[in-house]
Amino acid sequence: EVQLVESGGGLVQPGRSLRLSCAASGLTFDDYGMHWVRQAPGKGLEWVSGISWNSGVIGYVDSVKGRFTISRDNAKNSLYLQMDSLRSEDTALYYCVGGMVFGRFDHWGQGSLVIVSS
Amino acid sequence: EIVLTQSPATLAVSPGERATLSCRASQSVGGNLAWYQQKPGQAPRLLMYGVSTRATDTPARFSGSGSGTEFTLIISSLQSEDFVVYYCQQYKHWPLAFGGGTKVEIK
Repeated sequence: EVQLVESGGGLVQPGRSLRLSCAASGLTFDDYGMHWVRQAPGKGLEWVSGISWNSGVIGYVDSVKGRFTISRDNAKNSLYLQMDSLRSEDTALYYCVGGMVFGRFDHWGQGSLVIVSS
Repeated sequence: EIVLTQSPATLAVSPGERATLSCRASQSVGGNLAWYQQKPGQAPRLLMYGVSTRATDTPARFSGSGSGTEFTLIISSLQSEDFVVYYCQQYKHWPLAFGGGTKVEIK
């Protein structure tokens, strides 16, 4: 069974930083493109960032470019999202997502809640 | 940047009836279109990919069609567990994008 388990969320003040982690199991991690998708309370889904299996291709939604950094460690079956200069509009449930076809979201974690508030 | 527009935002259907959900892309996404189902309090799950291929464990009452910019998800006979929210997503171009969602509710 594929499991993606996020951690690192919490309450943070505007302008501060937070690092999300995602531990993957039950899959061959380096076969998968990995992504972060977020969902603000009561809202729809928004793709945040993605990284290819070998970290050769990386992308971000415009609203987080220059503030968020995605990375992965295939030896540790782990995905990360470094979030700097956080804003109130970054408040959301952040899902770790993986797909065999890059850009497709085959498997989802349960999410890690990030609340940006003073 | 591709924009996906789902319609209607809310669809009221009686159990056992057919539901038709639409997703329109602002430019062609070819066959790189997926549908996700999200139940309350749960993460989304992949329902359909490549327009019309059912994901693992997706019941046969779900079908997808379309190409280019116009796509449709049909639920042939709504069951109680189907009254939830559905999102389309394109994975042809970056940035990846979701539609705004269609909530299927009981009529």
